[in-house]
Amino acid sequence: DTAVSQTPKYLVTQMGNDKSIKCEQNLGHDTMYWYKQDSKKFLKIMFSYNNKELIINETVPNRFSPKSPDKAHLNLHINSLELGDSAVYFCASSQAKIAQETQYFGPGTRLLVL
Amino acid sequence: AQKITQTQPGMFVQEKEAVTLDCTYDTSDPSYGLFWYKQPSSGEMIFLIYQGSYDQQNATEGRYSLNFQKARKSANLVISASQLGDSAMYFCAVSLSNYQLIWGAGTKLIIKP
Repeated sequence: DTAVSQTPKYLVTQMGNDKSIKCEQNLGHDTMYWYKQDSKKFLKIMFSYNNKELIINETVPNRFSPKSPDKAHLNLHINSLELGDSAVYFCASSQAKIAQETQYFGPGTRLLVL
Repeated sequence: AQKITQTQPGMFVQEKEAVTLDCTYDTSDPSYGLFWYKQPSSGEMIFLIYQGSYDQQNATEGRYSLNFQKARKSANLVISASQLGDSAMYFCAVSLSNYQLIWGAGTKLIIKP
C-alpha cells in the first residue's frame, strides 16, 4: 500500500553513464514532482508535471529529462552522469497543482556517481 | 526574492521538553501555504503539519503545532513533550502561486535522553 514509490533506492554508477529513476504514486494525485537534495540537505525543485503536462522546469542541465507516461508515473532520465549529480533524488505528488496542497514524498533515490 | 530562513542549524533538547523550531519566510504572494516536514536519519520526508496563510487559527496535529504570526512572516513549529524518535532534520517550506515549494535549509534536532 505504498503511496509514492521510487526505484531504485540506491544507484551507484560511473561518470558518463545514462541512468533512469522511476516514480509511481497510487494516491490518485494529479501532480508529481522531482526534487534534488544535495549533501548539505538543501532541497531544490527540478520538475513538476500536472496531468502529464510539464508545469515547472527549473534551471537544470538538459542532461536531465523527465517523462510522464501517465499521471501516476513520473520518471527521470539522466544522460552523461557527472560527479556533481551525486545526491538524493525525491519524487513527490500532490492532489492538485494549487499552492495549498500537501506534497507526499517517495523514499528517495541515493545516486552516487564515481 | 522568495526565501525561507531557518536560523537554527542544530538544536539539542532534553527528552519530554517542548521545542520550538524557527522559520521565517519572505514572499509577496497574497496566498500561500506553510508546511513542516521531518526527515529522520533513514532519509524519507514526512509531512507533519500545514497552515494556510488565510487560516485564522494556528494548525495543530497531535504533538505538533504551528505558531503562525503572519505580520512577522513567522511559522514556528512547536513539538510538545519531545521524544527520542523526534530526532531528525526538520524543514519549513512555503508554497507559492507558481506551484513551487520553497524550502528552508533545515534544523537538525537531537533529543537527549
